[in-house]
Amino acid sequence: AQSVTQLDSQVPVFEEAPVELRCNYSSSVSVYLFWYVQYPNQGLQLLLKYLSGSTLVKGINGFEAEFNKSQTSFHLRKPSVHISDTAEYFCAVTWLDNYGQNFVFGPGTRLSVLP
Amino acid sequence: EAEVAQSPRYKITEKSQAVAFWCDPISGHATLYWYRQILGQGLELLVQFQDESVVDDSQLPKDRFSAERLKGVDSTLKIQPAELGDSAMYLCASSLAQAVDSPLHFGNGTRLTVT
Repeated sequence: AQSVTQLDSQVPVFEEAPVELRCNYSSSVSVYLFWYVQYPNQGLQLLLKYLSGSTLVKGINGFEAEFNKSQTSFHLRKPSVHISDTAEYFCAVTWLDNYGQNFVFGPGTRLSVLP
Repeated sequence: EAEVAQSPRYKITEKSQAVAFWCDPISGHATLYWYRQILGQGLELLVQFQDESVVDDSQLPKDRFSAERLKGVDSTLKIQPAELGDSAMYLCASSLAQAVDSPLHFGNGTRLTVT
């Protein structure tokens, strides 16, 4: 079975400071990794995804994530956050099987950027 | 960019009443998902469709919830009777699902309040 852990439920950080949101996964099959962001009262938007190749993936809004296979991690980082980055961030794994594409999401990390 | 449409955005209903949510996925997206997100928590997959067929409804409370996607396009999720614990955001998502790198595209959700 596949599972995703986001150890930090809430991360407060001051504006212009760096931030790292942690994601670890467990899987019995080959999976691919995504980060999504959810702003208040909205659906989720794709931030970035890792499929193969370079382990450092760049996404929208200045975010990047690094895939570490040995540690089964896919941490999200941003060198300098803005107030507008305040949102919920979800890490997810995806894989294909005979029935189609499957997703499992982590519980989310609420990032609060303080002035 | 094409979007996943959901309606209504907000719904308030009394317990024991029936309620229905509608979702229109991005055109051509074969796979459609309904998720429930209780305030401050992660996403719980309720049902997954591949075209008009249900491929996963293992977490759907079938005594009160039903979902259909009759023509393999738009979908309806129904709750009857609604209970207080059903208060949550209901998110619909769709995917091309032709390859493992197909991301999920989410609608803005329906926020249900059961009183």
